[in-house]
Amino acid sequence: GAGVSQTPSNKVTEKGKYVELRCDPISGHTALYWYRQSLGQGPEFLIYFQGTGAADDSGLPNDRFFAVRPEGSVSTLKIQRTERGDSAVYLCASSLGQGSGMNTEAFFGQGTRLTVV
Amino acid sequence: AQSVTQPDIHITVSEGASLELRCNYSYGATPYLFWYVQSPGQGLQLLLKYFSGDTLVQGIKGFEAEFKRSQSSFNLRKPSVHWSDAAEYFCAVGHWTGNQFYFGTGTSLTVIP
Repeated sequence: GAGVSQTPSNKVTEKGKYVELRCDPISGHTALYWYRQSLGQGPEFLIYFQGTGAADDSGLPNDRFFAVRPEGSVSTLKIQRTERGDSAVYLCASSLGQGSGMNTEAFFGQGTRLTVV
Repeated sequence: AQSVTQPDIHITVSEGASLELRCNYSYGATPYLFWYVQSPGQGLQLLLKYFSGDTLVQGIKGFEAEFKRSQSSFNLRKPSVHWSDAAEYFCAVGHWTGNQFYFGTGTSLTVIP
């Protein structure tokens, strides 16, 4: 597609449930990022993929959070045993990946608003 | 450690007035700097970026920003604000080898008639 697509746009789930958030990056972009934006805050880094592998997952808050990108394109962020504190907007971005400085521009999707009740 | 500070949580300006949003960063090397805008319910849109070269960069929607290494700042400016500029503005710093972007906490802009 023309831009980064995230689905669903909104997700309401009960505490303790499992959720999956999907990100479809711009075609040809090898780098993919997940961020979490809590109310009134800037986006916080969660994980970065270069191709299929997670190059940096240092931002994942705990082992309830996991992300995959099996074919180097679509990525899924998975949250187990959701807690109310997980409520936030989850943003996905993609870029052309490592290389020259110009390639570090990241394009963001509109986000998935997750509400845990 | 990399960090970005946006000291102004909220700014109100009159339509037609000039605007300056402040951004200070902490970084160990030459930074790649960005300004993004986020309208309600929208994703982040890139306004402008600085990688190297001319320290005054022009962006979309009439915005510009100036990189000042001595002050570790990358302030965003616009000479005449339009009502449609009301939004949340985020400054970010990125490291190309890590391809991570560290965002500030944002500045909310209100434009009054």
